[in-house]
Amino acid sequence: QVQLQESGPGRLKPLETLSLTCAVSGGSISSYYWAWIRQTPGKGLEWIGYVYYTGTTNYNPSLESRISMSLETSKRQFSLRMTSVSAADTAIYYCARGESMVRGTTLYFYMDVWGTGTTVIVS
Amino acid sequence: SSELTQDPAVSVALGQTVRITCQGDSLRSYFATWYQQKPGQAPKLVIYGENNRPSGIPDRFSGSGSGNTASLTITGAQAEDEADYYCNSRDTTSLHVLFGGGTKLTVL
Repeated sequence: QVQLQESGPGRLKPLETLSLTCAVSGGSISSYYWAWIRQTPGKGLEWIGYVYYTGTTNYNPSLESRISMSLETSKRQFSLRMTSVSAADTAIYYCARGESMVRGTTLYFYMDVWGTGTTVIVS
Repeated sequence: SSELTQDPAVSVALGQTVRITCQGDSLRSYFATWYQQKPGQAPKLVIYGENNRPSGIPDRFSGSGSGNTASLTITGAQAEDEADYYCNSRDTTSLHVLFGGGTKLTVL
């Protein structure tokens, strides 16, 4: 089955640029949304953004000025880049596969495969 | 509004039924998706679409919705159901992904 695995620097300093990669194995990278979500210690889930298999991106407005995402189909991976990090960006970062469907007049969007998460500490 | 609102905490006696709710305007157009997260683990999909369960999710989990409110019901809660539960949908205009703040379920 499809598996996702995040990789990243673990620790970085304020104002540096965070680069994370999510490797996709066991399935196609086409026809899905590829998302990044983060979770600060003891808090809830925060959507960062997604890149659709066509290359179209959509970002959380609160982070949009600092982030970019890309899909590298040939390498079966997708990436997140976040500039000017601060302590507020310390979190567990998850990558996930998303799908959108329509049933009648109602839509649904879900993320069925998640990576195990990678911890990023800004200090 | 493009937010999803959940009660922060809910408790249920072992073997009883509990309903976790999620409210938001986006739920008038989107079915809610529900995730379960246990400490130290990634979120796990438990309900999606009208009332669909991924393989391996017990049938005591079910989903429903009406208007701007969606519910996750656990019929006969078990000790292993103690976890945080998050609802999720998308804003119909911006297509931004939305998460509720999460509900901590305690099984007594």
